[in-house]
Amino acid sequence: QQQVKQSPQSLIVQKGGISIINCAYENTAFDYFPWYQQFPGKGPALLIAIRPDVSEKKEGRFTISFNKSAKQFSLHIMDSQPGDSATYFCAARSSNTGKLIFGQGTTLQVKP
Amino acid sequence: EAGVAQSPRYKIIEKRQSVAFWCNPISGHATLYWYQQILGQGPKLLIQFQNNGVVDDSQLPKDRFSAERLKGVDSTLKIQPAKLEDSAVYLCASSPRTSGRGDEQFFGPGTRLTVL
Repeated sequence: QQQVKQSPQSLIVQKGGISIINCAYENTAFDYFPWYQQFPGKGPALLIAIRPDVSEKKEGRFTISFNKSAKQFSLHIMDSQPGDSATYFCAARSSNTGKLIFGQGTTLQVKP
Repeated sequence: EAGVAQSPRYKIIEKRQSVAFWCNPISGHATLYWYQQILGQGPKLLIQFQNNGVVDDSQLPKDRFSAERLKGVDSTLKIQPAKLEDSAVYLCASSPRTSGRGDEQFFGPGTRLTVL
């Protein structure tokens, strides 16, 4: 069964610090890797996404690093702010079915 | 642009009762998804519609769950009868899928179901 494993489960970072969340996948038949941000009581919202032919993508303070050979990708949040406190989900889309497989989520708390 | 609408936002029922959730996707979006999000886990796809048709319902517990998409727009998800383990947030999402920006799925706020 296709799986996406996410770590850590929770993360506490000081304001201005770097938050790093890691994901690993087991199947090579994925063609799209998004990260979603979810605030309490809200649905997930797309934050940033990458395709496997690119090793890094940056949008503002958010960067995805992608290592195809290791089947790993990570989200880096630079200059973390209290407003970044949320749950983050990585996901991978099956190139066969188009289905999104989500990781278990990381709860980020940024302390002022 | 209005987002994905869902109702109700919260529902509490007894086990073995029935419940229905409603979703109105973003106007013009061809694909609609229902996800189940159990506390502390990532969303899990239950069913995917492309216009009126079902694309994937492989993880839908069909003995108790059913879903339909009316005229390729609104959708309802029903549970009958509910079990304790159905307590979760049910998320609806939609995506254009017919344009170059079809990769992004837009999520609604979800319906939090508690089965007692």
